[in-house]
Amino acid sequence: KNEVEQSPQNLTAQEGEFITINCSYSVGISALHWLQQHPGGGIVSLFMLSSGKKKHGRLIATINIQEKHSSLHITASHPRDSAVYICAVDSGGGADGLTFGKGTHLIIQP
Amino acid sequence: GAGVSQTPSNKVTEKGKYVELRCDPISGHTALYWYRQSLGQGPEFLIYFQGTGAADDSGLPNDRFFAVRPEGSVSTLKIQRTERGDSAVYLCASSLEVIAGVGTGELFFGEGSRLTVL
Repeated sequence: KNEVEQSPQNLTAQEGEFITINCSYSVGISALHWLQQHPGGGIVSLFMLSSGKKKHGRLIATINIQEKHSSLHITASHPRDSAVYICAVDSGGGADGLTFGKGTHLIIQP
Repeated sequence: GAGVSQTPSNKVTEKGKYVELRCDPISGHTALYWYRQSLGQGPEFLIYFQGTGAADDSGLPNDRFFAVRPEGSVSTLKIQRTERGDSAVYLCASSLEVIAGVGTGELFFGEGSRLTVL
């Protein structure tokens, strides 16, 4: 079973700062998901990637398959970015092959 | 519908009662997943369906938990004889399909059903 570690667990930053959240996993994967969860529980899929880099607005996700590591970056952070960011890795074996990290609780202060 | 819909959004029940949680996935999505999330933890896999059949129910914690998807669309998660430890947010997600060796594809989550067992 894959082990997923996210860091940091908690992060508080000032508006405008560049944010980096890290995710490491132990076993080779077919894809990695970055998810955003706001208070109240709803989860939104931000990225699904299996190699390289993806960008959407102020969000950038990168993955290094050899090092089993991914990062989520937020540029020009804003208080509305405050949420829990969850990394989930897909081992390609079906839905049970999804392993979720515990999440990074991000607070952006104005 | 436009997104994954879960009802009820909140459910408070007493220990020993029976509970049903409903998930209406995105139209056309054959794969449907149930996860459970406790406070401060990431989602934990319960069961997933490919079409009408439960492709994998290995995450169901015990035989008090059961899920159905009779017509390959809406799914119901059923919990019998609820216990306080069942209190959690139950998340449903859907995707177009699960492909062996490839994975789930992009996931779409509902807002979750928060279950509190008193």
